Amino acid sequence: AQSVTQLGSHVSVSEGALVLLRCNYSSSVPPYLFWYVQYPNKGLQLLLKYTSAATLVKGINGFEAEFKKSETSFHLTKPSAHMSDAAEYFCAVSENAGGTSYGKLTFGQGTILTVHP
Amino acid sequence: DAGITQSPRHKVTETGTPVTLRCHQTENHRYMYWYRQDPGHGLRLIHYSYGVKDTDKGEVSDGYSVSRSKTEDFLLTLESATSSQTSVYFCAISESARADGNQPQHFGDGTRLSIL
Repeated sequence: AQSVTQLGSHVSVSEGALVLLRCNYSSSVPPYLFWYVQYPNKGLQLLLKYTSAATLVKGINGFEAEFKKSETSFHLTKPSAHMSDAAEYFCAVSENAGGTSYGKLTFGQGTILTVHP
Repeated sequence: DAGITQSPRHKVTETGTPVTLRCHQTENHRYMYWYRQDPGHGLRLIHYSYGVKDTDKGEVSDGYSVSRSKTEDFLLTLESATSSQTSVYFCAISESARADGNQPQHFGDGTRLSIL
């Protein structure tokens, strides 16, 4: 069974500072990987996805993530934080099972990002 | 934004009562999912559907049932609600042409359910 671990339930940065949100997965084969963002009282919005093409993936709002198979990681970064980035972020994996996974997602516990002025 | 509507958006009910949550989509997507969100647990899959009348259990399916009689509607039912089912429930859809996981899911805005 696959699992996802997000290191740090809360991350706090200053406006303009680097954002780094960590995600590690456990899976027998490299899975498909996603980062979602959730604003208060809203659903999840897709930031970016890795589906076995380029290992460095660029997403919306200036975020990017790098897939590192040797480290089983998919950390999310942004060079310069904005106040509007304050939200909860979720890493998720979908099994790459050759057509039998039905796209089911396993989520990490979430990381709340706070941005200070 | 994907055309996903969840209803109701908020509900308060009592232990032992039946509850049905509705997810309606206008995208004609084949795959639909129900998740619950609880602090410290992220989102966990309850049930999913891969077509009309085709459904299966997820990670936390005990106490829940689902039905899908039309492509656009996916219903989640709590037959006899318990306080442990107090949560925020999210519906998601996916347009995967195959039953693999490389297409993202799109989420509704959730239903906040409180069981007293």
